[in-house]
Amino acid sequence: EPEVTQTPSHQVTQMGQEVILRCVPISNHLYFYWYRQILGQKVEFLVSFYNNEISEKSEIFDDQFSVERPDGSNFTLKIRSTKLEDSAMYFCASKGTGDSNQPQHFGDGTRLSIL
Amino acid sequence: GDSVTQMEGPVTLSEEAFLTINCTYTATGYPSLFWYVQYPGEGLQLLLKATKADDKGSNKGFEATYRKETTSFHLEKGSVQVSDSAVYFCALSAFFGNQFYFGTGTSLTVIP
Repeated sequence: EPEVTQTPSHQVTQMGQEVILRCVPISNHLYFYWYRQILGQKVEFLVSFYNNEISEKSEIFDDQFSVERPDGSNFTLKIRSTKLEDSAMYFCASKGTGDSNQPQHFGDGTRLSIL
Repeated sequence: GDSVTQMEGPVTLSEEAFLTINCTYTATGYPSLFWYVQYPGEGLQLLLKATKADDKGSNKGFEATYRKETTSFHLEKGSVQVSDSAVYFCALSAFFGNQFYFGTGTSLTVIP
């Protein structure tokens, strides 16, 4: 069964540095998402992406964050000038259509640790 | 706004016990409802879904019924196994917009 893959599985970065989290969504999917889960808290929506542009973003997704689909397969989340509070699990998800009754398919996540 | 409220954990059960994890939601329009499961060290996997009122989603012995009158989507399993130990997330997909809203997750540990 096709799956969403994320790399790396664990990223350790010094505060203030930039980090790029990478995702390869399911190949025929058109809608892409990033979520984060701070330890012990709920999974929070960050951003959705369709047709090469952001379609929705949360209050968390400020100017520090950006997303890109640099080629036909990758979907990346960049965090500029990381802060301690950016430490979390980041999940990428994709969906085939825009129907609300379709599930999102999640990757295994990237654990980001900011020192 | 749309939101999901999920039963607090952690939950510890003996093997073959009955499981209920409560989930209620607030939404405008007609959301779709999902349960996801997260096994240790893994990502979120779809467990089951229901897309309209009175629908029952089921998978691997788990069931949940979309109750519009009580705005609930409780997860149940008649006889849990050790392998069911995981964190369970209730989620809502809004009728308008693309994002999912997740509950806080309920950690389940099943002991032999």
